[in-house]
Amino acid sequence: EIVLTQSPGTLSLSPGERATLSCRAGQRVSSSYLAWYQQKPGQAPRLLIYGTSSRATGIPDRFSGSGSGTDFTLTISRLEPEDFALYYCQQYGSSPETFGGGTKVEIK
Amino acid sequence: QLQLQESGPGLVKPSETLSLTCTVSGGAISSSSHYWGWIRQPPGKGLEWIGSIYYSGSTYYNPSLKSRVTISVDTSKNQFSLKLSSVTAADTAVYYCARIWFGIPGWFDPWGQGTLVTVSS
Repeated sequence: EIVLTQSPGTLSLSPGERATLSCRAGQRVSSSYLAWYQQKPGQAPRLLIYGTSSRATGIPDRFSGSGSGTDFTLTISRLEPEDFALYYCQQYGSSPETFGGGTKVEIK
Repeated sequence: QLQLQESGPGLVKPSETLSLTCTVSGGAISSSSHYWGWIRQPPGKGLEWIGSIYYSGSTYYNPSLKSRVTISVDTSKNQFSLKLSSVTAADTAVYYCARIWFGIPGWFDPWGQGTLVTVSS
């Protein structure tokens, strides 16, 4: 299975700052089939990005995804108070689909 | 708007079988465009895909759990279900159901709210 490693584990930033989250795969992710989710305490994950860079319905354009092969990035251009949360990447290029360990974006 | 809701016992004894049901509303589980899946999250830890099903009954399981997992579908009730046998404390987790896009494998959207299942005597 493809192992996904997310870094950093925790990102401490202030509202208005730019957040850059990394997701590195242990082997190439087929056709850039990578998704990103946001999870807040006590809530289910919410889809942000699929296909590496396509925003899900209703997701603000301050969220963007990029990358290919084994290296992927989620960027939040200007952090809003509601963006402080946990973020997971997931690959669906090969079975079993796997998730990264998560990056927590916290208020500095 | 499609919604999913998990239901089932919150406490299961070790060695017994965990059983959960996901009820889909606002859309048909027999949609030819989607699959349906189960994902779990142990307290304070990351996400693990358990398995998925198509409305026809075709199933796909995580190899790490395959020997203990059974997923089934009831299109008349717009539900799909999870059974996990021989549970241990390591199976304590929040269990989510979700719709799957793209195929198998695919991405998950939306998710149910999740239900905590604790394995303890």
